[in-house]
Amino acid sequence: QMQLVESGGGLVQPGGSLRLSCAASAFNFPNSGMHWVRQAPGKGLEWVAFIRYDGTNTYYADSVKGRFSIFRDNSKSRLYLQMNLLRAEDTAVYYCAKSGSGVQPADNWFDPWGQGTLVTVSS
Amino acid sequence: QSVLTQPPSVSGAPGQRVTISCTGTSSNIGAGYDVHWYQHLPGTAPKLLIYGSTNRPSGVPDRFAGSKSGTSASLAITGLQAEDEADYYCQSYDRSLSGSYVFGTGTKVTVL
Repeated sequence: QMQLVESGGGLVQPGGSLRLSCAASAFNFPNSGMHWVRQAPGKGLEWVAFIRYDGTNTYYADSVKGRFSIFRDNSKSRLYLQMNLLRAEDTAVYYCAKSGSGVQPADNWFDPWGQGTLVTVSS
Repeated sequence: QSVLTQPPSVSGAPGQRVTISCTGTSSNIGAGYDVHWYQHLPGTAPKLLIYGSTNRPSGVPDRFAGSKSGTSASLAITGLQAEDEADYYCQSYDRSLSGSYVFGTGTKVTVL
C-alpha cells in the first residue's frame, strides 16, 4: 500500500534552518503532486506548500512564503521542505501528503499522509 | 487562522448518529470548491474519509457520509462506534488567500 515516511525534524533555534524529507513508496511518485501540511501543538491542520508532479510549479501558504521551499527528487521518490528563518510559531508536526486529483487543482485532496515529524523552534 | 468553522466537539452514544458541520463563505465552499473530510487520531497519520464532498475512498465504511449545500458542508456518522472517537477536519480551497488550501477548525467526536 502507498506509504510516506517523514524525517529530519528536531530542535532548532529561532532564525535557524532545517530540511525535512519524505520518502514515498508503492505509488507512482513522479506522476503525483505532493503537499506539506503542519499541525502546531494543540492546534488544527494548516496547509504549508504544494509542488506539481514535475516540480515546475510550487505554491506556499502566506505564513511561510519566502522562508520555506518545497522541492522533490523524482529519481529517489523523495519530497523535501527546506525551512529557513524559523520562528517559534513554526513549531509543529509536519506531514507530507500525496495530492488526490480533483477536476481542477483547487479540488485536490490529501491522501495518503505520513506519520509526521516534529519540528521545535526554541532557544 | 482557519476560514472553515466547525463545532469544537460533538458526542453520541454507540449506535447513534452525529453530524459535523463545516461552514465557509463565498470564497471557498460557496465558490463551488469541493469539500474533503479527514479523521485524525493524535500521533497518527490523518486519514481521508470523504473526497469530492460526497465520495468515500475504498475501505471507508458507509457509516460515513458527506454532503454539501451553499456555503456549508456536513459529515454524518451513523451507527457510532467506539473506534470513531477522533478529531475530524473538513478541507477545501479558498480563492481569497492568494489561492490556498484551507482546513476547518476541527471537531472532537466523543463516544459516550
